Amino acid sequence: EDKVVQSPLSLVVHEGDTVTLNCSYEVTNFRSLLWYKQEKKAPTFLFMLTSSGIEKKSGRLSSILDKKELFSILNITATQTGDSAVYLCAVGVYNNNDMRFGAGTRLTVKP
Amino acid sequence: EAGVAQSPRYKIIEKRQSVAFWCNPISGHATLYWYQQILGQGPKLLIQFQNNGVVDDSQLPKDRFSAERLKGVDSTLKIQPAKLEDSAVYLCASSPLRGAYNEQFFGPGTRLTVL
Repeated sequence: EDKVVQSPLSLVVHEGDTVTLNCSYEVTNFRSLLWYKQEKKAPTFLFMLTSSGIEKKSGRLSSILDKKELFSILNITATQTGDSAVYLCAVGVYNNNDMRFGAGTRLTVKP
Repeated sequence: EAGVAQSPRYKIIEKRQSVAFWCNPISGHATLYWYQQILGQGPKLLIQFQNNGVVDDSQLPKDRFSAERLKGVDSTLKIQPAKLEDSAVYLCASSPLRGAYNEQFFGPGTRLTVL
């Protein structure tokens, strides 16, 4: 059965800290891994990764995929209180109309 | 660009009652998804539409859940009758691309509480 596991489940840091969120997966016919930020209710798209070793970057956020070891990390540097949210990892597969989400990591950034 | 719209935002019902949720996707997005997100879990895909046709509904509990997208734009998701375990946030998402493995744009969701 396809699995997407995120760790840690929750994390509390102070402003300015750097955090690393993890996502490991076991799926057949991997196609893509996506990161979303969920504040309140609507997840918003952060990154889509399809190739190993190529870092995607947006401001203070970056992410990379390792298709050999079957995981991805999301890094946030110089965290701000506005980064407080649940970060969701999702994996899509070829020939399958499904997007499997992990349970998320709840990040709390304290001033 | 207007985002995905959903209504209502909140709904409280008694078990065995019926409920319906409405979704209006981003203009021009042919693909529409309904997800169920139980507290503390990631979203779970229930059904995917391509225009007004169902692409996949293998995870939809068809004994009580139904969904339609009659004109290829708006969609409704219905639960009849509701059970306690249906309490969740129901998210609608849309995409200009076919294939659930692509980026999706999510609406604000409907929080359903079944008492």
